[in-house]
Amino acid sequence: LAKTTQPISMDSYEGQEVNITCSHNNIATNDYITWYQQFPSQGPRFIIQGYKTKVTNEVASLFIPADRKSSTLSLPRVSLSDTAVYYCLVGDLEEAGTALIFGKGTTLSVSS
Amino acid sequence: NAGVTQTPKFRVLKTGQSMTLLCAQDMNHEYMYWYRQDPGMGLRLIHYSVGEGTTAKGEVPDGYNVSRLKKQNFLLGLESAAPSQTSVYFCASSYAVEVDSGANVLTFGAGSRLTVL
Repeated sequence: LAKTTQPISMDSYEGQEVNITCSHNNIATNDYITWYQQFPSQGPRFIIQGYKTKVTNEVASLFIPADRKSSTLSLPRVSLSDTAVYYCLVGDLEEAGTALIFGKGTTLSVSS
Repeated sequence: NAGVTQTPKFRVLKTGQSMTLLCAQDMNHEYMYWYRQDPGMGLRLIHYSVGEGTTAKGEVPDGYNVSRLKKQNFLLGLESAAPSQTSVYFCASSYAVEVDSGANVLTFGAGSRLTVL
């Protein structure tokens, strides 16, 4: 499975758009990308998932360029409650139930 | 619908003691995972299971054993606890479908905080 690299931390202010980029240079044809959010003392929770181009849901957007070597999680107009750790995960569509390895994640701090 | 339930939520052990963490899911998920998370660190995969009766090693399996005798339960055992195993343990489950429907999306439990003295 492709390894992922993310910035260790990011800072933002309320109301701003935040973009967190994940690098996965060795992504394979069958790999998909999933983002999770984790608050202190809680388990991670699913945010968004995609394979190519752009995916949008009520929480975030995920942009994946044509070469799929990176992906960007976009959080519109963040609030203090978006302060959390965000993880990018690459998984194999063809090999269900494989080891899902998390990277170190990006700690987002939102200030007022 | 409880999702993923971990038992116990907190436990303090002495070095050398043994214990078992229980993970139960009521979503009929095929795949289950055990992760550990040390303070200020990311999640590391200990063991995982792709179905009843099957288990596999993850990134950091040493010192742990697992069993998946029933589809809904995944047990993590520590035979002889060590201070280095002080951590928060998270269980997760998933099932694989197409990307549009949620490919292998993990549902996590609330965590079990283990302290080994």
